[in-house]
Amino acid sequence: KAGVTQTPRYLIKTRGQQVTLSCSPISGHRSVSWYQQTPGQGLQFLFEYFSETQRNKGNFPGRFSGRQFSNSRSEMNVSTLELGDSALYLCASSKGQGIEKLFFGSGTQLSVL
Amino acid sequence: GIQVEQSPPDLILQEGANSTLRCNFSDSVNNLQWFHQNPWGQLINLFYIPSGTKQNGRLSATTVATERYSLLYISSSQTTDSGVYFCAVDRRTAGGTSYGKLTFGQGTILTVHP
Repeated sequence: KAGVTQTPRYLIKTRGQQVTLSCSPISGHRSVSWYQQTPGQGLQFLFEYFSETQRNKGNFPGRFSGRQFSNSRSEMNVSTLELGDSALYLCASSKGQGIEKLFFGSGTQLSVL
Repeated sequence: GIQVEQSPPDLILQEGANSTLRCNFSDSVNNLQWFHQNPWGQLINLFYIPSGTKQNGRLSATTVATERYSLLYISSSQTTDSGVYFCAVDRRTAGGTSYGKLTFGQGTILTVHP
C-alpha cells in the first residue's frame, strides 16, 4: 500500500508570491490534515479536510487555505508569501472516523527568499 | 490549549544502550501518539497509545492517563534510531474529537553513536 505522497519535495519562492502544495493520502483514507514545522514554533496544525469539507482549522492567517478533491487528494495554498512562511509543510492522512492514528508524508520544504 | 512537555530535550547514546523518553501533558487526552522523525523529515507513527502499554520490537510505550504522562522505551539502541521523537496529543472534550488535530511536544533529539 503506497504511503502519503507530497509534492514537490522542495520549493523556493520569493516574498509576495503564492505557492500550492499537494498531498495524496493513503488509498482508502478520506481525511487529510496539514501541519507546519519550523525550528521556533515546532509542529503546528493548519487544517483538516474530510469529504471535500474543512472540519477543523488551526490559528493561521487567511493567507493559508486548502481544499480537497473528490479523490481525497488535497492541496494547500499560501498567498502573499512572507519570510516567516519558510517551513517544512507536512500532511497526514487517516480514515477520518475520529480518534485514530495519523500517517504523515515526507513533507514539502518551502524556502521564502 | 493543552501543553505537552517532553524530556530530555537531547539524548546521546552508544549503540546498544537503553533509553526512556518522557511526555507530560497538562489535560485529559483521548488520543496520544508517538512519532519518530527521520533525517529526511518524515514522521513515522510508532504508537497510538492513549492509555496502557504497547510493545513493538525494541520499542515499547506506556501511558498513565490519570497521571498525565507517557513513556517511550528504546532498548538496544541502533544508529538508525537517531532522529527526533515527538509525543502528540488531542485533548479530551465533551464535543468529541478535534479532527486531524494533534498538539505536539517540542521533541527529544536522539543521537546514537556506533
